[in-house]
Amino acid sequence: DVKVTQSSRYLVKRTGEKVFLECVQDMDHENMFWYRQDPGLGLRLIYFSYDVKMKEKGDIPEGYSVSREKKERFSLILESASTNQTSMYLCASRTGGEDEQFFGPGTRLTVL
Amino acid sequence: QKEVEQNSGPLSVPEGAIASLNCTYSDRGSQSFFWYRQYSGKSPELIMSIYSNGDKEDGRFTAQLNKASQYVSLLIRDSQPSDSATYLCAVSPLGGYALNFGKGTSLLVTP
Repeated sequence: DVKVTQSSRYLVKRTGEKVFLECVQDMDHENMFWYRQDPGLGLRLIYFSYDVKMKEKGDIPEGYSVSREKKERFSLILESASTNQTSMYLCASRTGGEDEQFFGPGTRLTVL
Repeated sequence: QKEVEQNSGPLSVPEGAIASLNCTYSDRGSQSFFWYRQYSGKSPELIMSIYSNGDKEDGRFTAQLNKASQYVSLLIRDSQPSDSATYLCAVSPLGGYALNFGKGTSLLVTP
């Protein structure tokens, strides 16, 4: 079974802190994604990566950066957390073909 | 902008009835289509994929695809209270990396 894991299920941070969210997948998928999900707004793509060290902006990249140093690991970084970044963050991975995306369990981040 | 549209609901059906969830998409070049189920506070999980026009059945679930009309649907037979969740339609764009997701339809199955 494909497994996507995220470093934390719940996280509480203070405004201005630097926040790291880690995601690891174990199925050698080329593509990895970071989404945030808010009530009424659906899933919104923040960044994605199609190869090691390669990244592309999604629909809402402002305030975020990413890192992919190894194929299995994709990190989301909030350089200076703000209260409007309180959300559920979901990592996903996918092969390079027409297959489905597999999601991690999510990290519910609260910024105070 | 590649769009995937779903009614937000809530769609309420009695236990044992058929629930019908609908989705339209704008990218005519899309080739693969998915239905995810998401329980409150959890991440989306895949329940059906469909790639060809017509019907695809898996247990109580049937996915239907009509590429000419750019329409995909999910039928849930013998609905159970445990089916109460948000159902996300997802479409793979031609030449794209990430699936395009609808905002989801909330389904409530009442005992």
